[in-house]
Amino acid sequence: DTEVTQTPKHLVMGMTNKKSLKCEQHMGHRAMYWYKQKAKKPPELMFVYSYEKLSINESVPSRFSPECPNSSLLNLHLHALQPEDSALYLCASSQDWTGDGAFFGQGTRLTVV
Amino acid sequence: GQQLNQSPQSMFIQEGEDVSMNCTSSSIFNTWLWYKQDPGEGPVLLIALYKAGELTSNGRLTAQFGITRKDSFLNISASIPSDVGIYFCAGGYGNKLVFGAGTILRVKS
Repeated sequence: DTEVTQTPKHLVMGMTNKKSLKCEQHMGHRAMYWYKQKAKKPPELMFVYSYEKLSINESVPSRFSPECPNSSLLNLHLHALQPEDSALYLCASSQDWTGDGAFFGQGTRLTVV
Repeated sequence: GQQLNQSPQSMFIQEGEDVSMNCTSSSIFNTWLWYKQDPGEGPVLLIALYKAGELTSNGRLTAQFGITRKDSFLNISASIPSDVGIYFCAGGYGNKLVFGAGTILRVKS
């Protein structure tokens, strides 16, 4: 099973809402990632969790709050987002912290209204 | 920071033709990965390269990791309509992946 599962696939939220994106993998990978991708642009790294600990935060605004409840799950909590935060949010996982052979989920298409 | 220069930006080719794209950088990477992304989907890993000079094939795809660890190419042989999409190279260092800007591939049937 080389699958990373993200839910929901689509999300529309108002600027005052609180929502969460979820990501799950069962490959035994110990590193998990959140990326943001705008249309026709490459993915941009947001956060890296290594062995369930946050190891990289790429200066992401605090309205994005990651959480890693266990080695298989990764959440991204959203609060008070702006319309420019609308994007495809991708979760990925890899065997260890090196990022080798990272596998991506389908993504959540987020629209902030 | 680390940057990858990916070319060409887009390609429009005939079905059956071979395709070549490449990525270069002024920085050294530990690994080099090639991904394909279809509209509305996440990137799918095509080939992973771990050793300098490594040449790896996956069906009609062939990729090589440059000897200097600063470049890589991807070849697609005998292209078919389902090859359309955006191809990204990505360089790995530490626990980060740096992505190239992507090559948009369009195939004429």
